[in-house]
Amino acid sequence: KNEVEQSPQNLTAQEGEFITINCSYSVGISALHWLQQHPGGGIVSLFMLSSGKKKHGRLIATINIQEKHSSLHITASHPRDSAVYICAVKGGSEKLVFGKGTKLTVNP
Amino acid sequence: ETGVTQTPRHLVMGMTNKKSLKCEQHLGHNAMYWYKQSAKKPLELMFVYSLEERVENNSVPSRFSPECPNSSHLFLHLHTLQPEDSALYLCASSQDRGTLQYFGAGTRLSVL
Repeated sequence: KNEVEQSPQNLTAQEGEFITINCSYSVGISALHWLQQHPGGGIVSLFMLSSGKKKHGRLIATINIQEKHSSLHITASHPRDSAVYICAVKGGSEKLVFGKGTKLTVNP
Repeated sequence: ETGVTQTPRHLVMGMTNKKSLKCEQHLGHNAMYWYKQSAKKPLELMFVYSLEERVENNSVPSRFSPECPNSSHLFLHLHTLQPEDSALYLCASSQDRGTLQYFGAGTRLSVL
C-alpha cells in the first residue's frame, strides 16, 4: 500500500464547478506539498503546509493532521486548470513521498 | 518560467552512450534535487544536494552519477543505461531542505 493515497484518480468537471481532490497518508509528517503537473511534464509547486489552510487565488489547500488528510479545492474551475495534481508528504527522514496523482480535466 | 532550467528537454540515447542532463537555477537556492518519473508511477526522489554536498542517495544505480559543481548547477551523468531507465527526469531546487521546491520542466529520456 502506498504511503500516500489520492482520490479520485481521474476527475472530469465542467467549467465553473467547484473541485475537491483528496490526499490521505499513513505516516507522521512534518509537511505536505501539493504540486501541479502539466501535460508537457513541468511541475509547479502550489502549496506547502503543515497545519490549517492556505489560499492562493482560486486554490485552497487544507490539512487535518489528526486525520492524516489533506484536500485541494479549486473554485470556479477553468479548462486551464486541467493537469495532474500530486500530493507529497515529508516524513521524519526528510524524504518526500509522492502520491500517484489525480488527473483533472475541466471541459469548457 | 520557474527559475529552474533543464536541458535538454528531450534525449534519445543508446544503451552504450554517455550523456549528461543539466539543471540550472537562478533563484539563489542552496538545495537541489533529481527526481525520476516513470510512466504510471509516482515521482521518485533520486538525489539531494545541500550546499553542494550530496546528502541523500535513494538506492540509485551507479549508472546514474550526479554532480553539483556549485549551488546553481546540477548535472546527472548517464552511462550504460537500460531501457527501463526511460522516464521524465525532473530537477528541483529549494531554499534550504524542507521548504517549497521549484521544479524544472524536465528532460524526457528514451533509452533504446
